[in-house]
Amino acid sequence: DTGVSQDPRHKITKRGQNVTFRCDPISEHNRLYWYRQTLGQGPEFLTYFQNEAQLEKSRLLSDRFSAERPKGSFSTLEIQRTEQGDSAMYLCASSLAQDAYEQYFGPGTRLTVT
Amino acid sequence: GQSLEQPSEVTAVEGAIVQINCTYQTSGFYGLSWYQQHDGGAPTFLSYNALDGLEETGRFSSFLSRSDSYGYLLLQELQMKDSASYFCAVCYQKVTFGTGTKLQVIP
Repeated sequence: DTGVSQDPRHKITKRGQNVTFRCDPISEHNRLYWYRQTLGQGPEFLTYFQNEAQLEKSRLLSDRFSAERPKGSFSTLEIQRTEQGDSAMYLCASSLAQDAYEQYFGPGTRLTVT
Repeated sequence: GQSLEQPSEVTAVEGAIVQINCTYQTSGFYGLSWYQQHDGGAPTFLSYNALDGLEETGRFSSFLSRSDSYGYLLLQELQMKDSASYFCAVCYQKVTFGTGTKLQVIP
């Protein structure tokens, strides 16, 4: 298994544009998580899926953020009408549901909003 | 909700032992995980405590006291490559990460 992959690795966009990120988890993992991380902080939970069901979404997440996992495999995270405050590293992780404490992270997508 | 507290920075000498503490407040709790993250890298899982006591994994050990809402990560025989950020994380439904402790190992 090649681990968790994310695409793109870097994204520079202008304020107001929409962006979409993709995450491919470890194939046998049924849970997939999205986090946001800024410099000097820990990963901040955004949302997570078990198979194709989105089980929880952070209350801090604005309606501009949406995530899907249509077939229970890869996932996409879309940010609409980006703002400069959205600039961060977006991390994806996967795990087995029964071992949710042990998450495997992808390399992240670094978003810069200008 | 959950909140976790860790020291922001720790410096230790190569070959020494260092302890990184974590206190937490949570509305639900399955266990406490620890992750390591090198600059520019992704977090990697180190250890997990579901029950009180010490878990040992090579040079790293992790301890949990549920009654005190407290845990720590113990790193022995420090190596330069251990310089990284270390996060404790409360596991309940989802995983909530602390703000991390930046460990600098000096010669």
